[in-house]
Amino acid sequence: SAVISQKPSRDICQRGTSLTIQCQVDSQVTMMFWYRQQPGQSLTLIATANQGSEATYESGFVIDKFPISRPNLTFSTLTVSNMSPEDSSIYLCSVELLQAGGNEQFFGPGTRLTVL
Amino acid sequence: RKEVEQDPGPFNVPEGATVAFNCTYSNSASQSFFWYRQDCRKEPKLLMSVYSSGNEDGRFTAQLNRASQYISLLIRDSKLSDSATYLCVVNRAGAGSYQLTFGKGTKLSVIP
Repeated sequence: SAVISQKPSRDICQRGTSLTIQCQVDSQVTMMFWYRQQPGQSLTLIATANQGSEATYESGFVIDKFPISRPNLTFSTLTVSNMSPEDSSIYLCSVELLQAGGNEQFFGPGTRLTVL
Repeated sequence: RKEVEQDPGPFNVPEGATVAFNCTYSNSASQSFFWYRQDCRKEPKLLMSVYSSGNEDGRFTAQLNRASQYISLLIRDSKLSDSATYLCVVNRAGAGSYQLTFGKGTKLSVIP
C-alpha cells in the first residue's frame, strides 16, 4: 500500500483567491490523480498528474482553473484558482499501485475546502 | 443515463442481517469494476474488485453481469462496523490506466 498525505487538511478561503493543495506519497509512483467530491456527490476525476509533462484534464476541467504540478514521482500539487463558493468541496489525490490482485488506487485523506 | 448509478439508500439493517446493493453502469466497454467503502469524513478505500465469475471475500460477495451492465455486492451477517457508504466504481472504457468513474454511493447503517 501507500501512505499519502495532503496539506492542508482543510481551509476556509475568500472568493477570488487561490489555494494550492499538496499531495505527498511515501514511495515513487507513476500514476497520480486528483479528484473532487462535492457535498452529496460522487467523486469526480479532475485530472491525471503526469510527471514531466502537462496534466491530462477531464471534460469540464481546465488548466487555468486547476493548474497541477508534478515535479517528481512522489509529489504533486493542485491549485484551485479564482475560487467561488461552487468550488467548496473535498479534493483528494490518489495513486495507482500494482498489488497482488492487480492495480489498485489509494486515496489521500482529502482537503476540505470551503469558499465564502 | 448516468455513467454509474446506485440506490443512495440509506439502508438501515439490524446486526446479522444480509443486505444487497446494486449498481448499473452505462458504458458497455468498461473492463474493470470495484466496490469501495467510504467512512464518514474519510477517504474511499478499496473493498474488493469485481470479477466476471463473481468473487467472495469473507462475508462479502460481488457479482458482475456484463450483459445487463449490472454489479452487485452482498454483505452477510452484517456487523456494526460495516456501517459506511459503499461506492460502485467502474473504469473508463479504453483508458490505458485506471481512470475511475464513481457512483454516488449507497449508505448502510447497521443497527444494534
